[in-house]
Amino acid sequence: QVHLQESGPRLVRPSETLSLTCTVSGGSIGTYYWNWIRQSPGKGLEWIGYFYYTGSTKYNPSLNSRVSISLDMPNNQFSLKLTSATAADTATYYCARRIVDGPGGIDHFDYWGPGILVTVSS
Amino acid sequence: DIQMTQSPSSVSASVGDRITITCRATQNIDRWLAWYQQQPGKAPKLLIYGASNLQSGVPSRFSGSGSGTDFTLTINSLHPEDFADYYCQQAHSFPLTFGQGTRLEIK
Repeated sequence: QVHLQESGPRLVRPSETLSLTCTVSGGSIGTYYWNWIRQSPGKGLEWIGYFYYTGSTKYNPSLNSRVSISLDMPNNQFSLKLTSATAADTATYYCARRIVDGPGGIDHFDYWGPGILVTVSS
Repeated sequence: DIQMTQSPSSVSASVGDRITITCRATQNIDRWLAWYQQQPGKAPKLLIYGASNLQSGVPSRFSGSGSGTDFTLTINSLHPEDFADYYCQQAHSFPLTFGQGTRLEIK
């Protein structure tokens, strides 16, 4: 059974960088798409982006200039960095695995971490 | 971006009832649609993928249908643990987007 767990600071000062790590257990990070998704009361669920084990990334254009996702394969972790944080970035952040099999019509998030609430405030 | 609109935003029902939630996309997404259930304080849980495929371990009272722009999630014979929030999500094109959610409440 695959498990994901988010970790990182729960309080970030405005203008600083929000940094989170997702630790994956029960399976290799060397396959699949590894995603970050956030949820705030005002904006619902928002997909942030992914890192694919081959090294490709894709980000939501609404955050594109501020976000980066990276993989740490030896430790089976992937990380999110969101620069210049503002109060609007206050949300629960989820890491999630996305499974894709185009010919099979498969593309969805099948495993999620429990989430971590990050507050941006001075 | 493809916008996903769910209706209703909230619905009240009783244990044993059958309910339907709809999700509409602003453009054709074929069958690239998933449904998730979210309990309070928990992460979303995958229910349906590819518009109508039941995720392993999900009870058969859940079903999905639709293609193109209009989709439905149906729950037959509601159980107490089904009262939660439900979200649709399109996987046709980037950025991946979710519906605003439907809250299923006990009447």
